Amino acid sequence: EPEVTQTPSHQVTQMGQEVILRCVPISNHLYFYWYRQILGQKVEFLVSFYNNEISEKSEIFDDQFSVERPDGSNFTLKIRSTKLEDSAMYFCAGRTGNEQFFGPGTRLTVL
Amino acid sequence: RKEVEQDPGPFNVPEGATVAFNCTYSNSASQSFFWYRQDCRKEPKLLMSVYSSGNEDGRFTAQLNRASQYISLLIRDSKLSDSATYLCVVNPPGQLTFGSGTQLTVLP
Repeated sequence: EPEVTQTPSHQVTQMGQEVILRCVPISNHLYFYWYRQILGQKVEFLVSFYNNEISEKSEIFDDQFSVERPDGSNFTLKIRSTKLEDSAMYFCAGRTGNEQFFGPGTRLTVL
Repeated sequence: RKEVEQDPGPFNVPEGATVAFNCTYSNSASQSFFWYRQDCRKEPKLLMSVYSSGNEDGRFTAQLNRASQYISLLIRDSKLSDSATYLCVVNPPGQLTFGSGTQLTVLP
């Protein structure tokens, strides 16, 4: 059964650096999402993406964040200038019907 | 008021026990409801969608009460492999809104 994949599994970066997190959704997913989970806290919605544009975003998703689907398969989340508080697990998800299926996540550590 | 509220637990139960989790949600416009399970430091995995008429999948039974804005999950004959955090998730619509999760440990 096809699965959502994410790379890298773990990213360590210095504060102020840019990071790009990558996701490959399942081919029949039309809606894509990014969520984050700070250690010990609940999963939080960041942004949804449909038809090559953002359809909804949360207040967490400020100007430091951007998403794109550069080549029709990869779905990326860019954080322009990372802050310590961006340290979290970042999950990509794709949607089939009403159900969302998550990738294994990227653990981002900002030092 | 939290958008999705769950008893954090932990619930520690012996193998074979029946355990029930409850969840309330605040947005009456919510349209879809789910239970996910999350193992430590892993992604949420869809356990089951929750339908108004209630639904069952093997040892798992989910119920929805729209009037009370209440969702439940019942696990029968619990197995060691059921140990995880169970996430109540609501779609109000669009984004998923997660509860903080209820931690379950099934003991041998």
